[in-house]
Amino acid sequence: GQSLEQPSEVTAVEGAIVQINCTYQTSGFYGLSWYQQHDGGAPTFLSYNGLDGLEETGRFSSFLSRSDSYGYLLLQELQMKDSASYFCADTMDSNYQLIWGAGTKLIIKP
Amino acid sequence: DAMVIQNPRYQVTQFGKPVTLSCSQTLNHNVMYWYQQKSSQAPKLLFHYYDKDFNNEADTPDNFQSRRPNTSFCFLDIRSPGLGDAAMYLCATSYEGLSPGAFFGQGTRLTVV
Repeated sequence: GQSLEQPSEVTAVEGAIVQINCTYQTSGFYGLSWYQQHDGGAPTFLSYNGLDGLEETGRFSSFLSRSDSYGYLLLQELQMKDSASYFCADTMDSNYQLIWGAGTKLIIKP
Repeated sequence: DAMVIQNPRYQVTQFGKPVTLSCSQTLNHNVMYWYQQKSSQAPKLLFHYYDKDFNNEADTPDNFQSRRPNTSFCFLDIRSPGLGDAAMYLCATSYEGLSPGAFFGQGTRLTVV
């Protein structure tokens, strides 16, 4: 089957750094995407890793290791507005589906 | 700006009364998705189109149908909404399903009374 595992909840302090992990078991894996979703809002695309290594976009970075079937999203200099749910998703190369993890709720404390 | 637009943002329908949700896109993406999302859960894929090729998820109820008359528009029809169908419905697009990821509309919040 296809599955992506990520922690259900992570708590961090404003200004700190937090890492949200994602492990996957999927066939036809093509790449790992990350999405942010605020309560009541729609998911917004954050980052994509098609190759192993680190991708950096401002305060957010994402990492992929295909050999370990593992990736993570790194958020630096946390701000209160980063409080949201974060989803990892596997872009399948057949049928162009996205297989989603259950999401990680990030709680930021002052 | 290129975008994905869903209408309406909020829809209230009566139990059993057919309802249609719409999605339009100006991104010229060839893949369009319909997701259902309930509170504190991940989006659940209902259907997706690759160009005109329709892909129905195995566990999508028969009560849900979709139409894509052209590249820009996609509709979700719920033939007989039940209380359990109350959810946020999200439309998304992508080009070939690849990077830079899927672009989502703002969603339609469906309430069934």
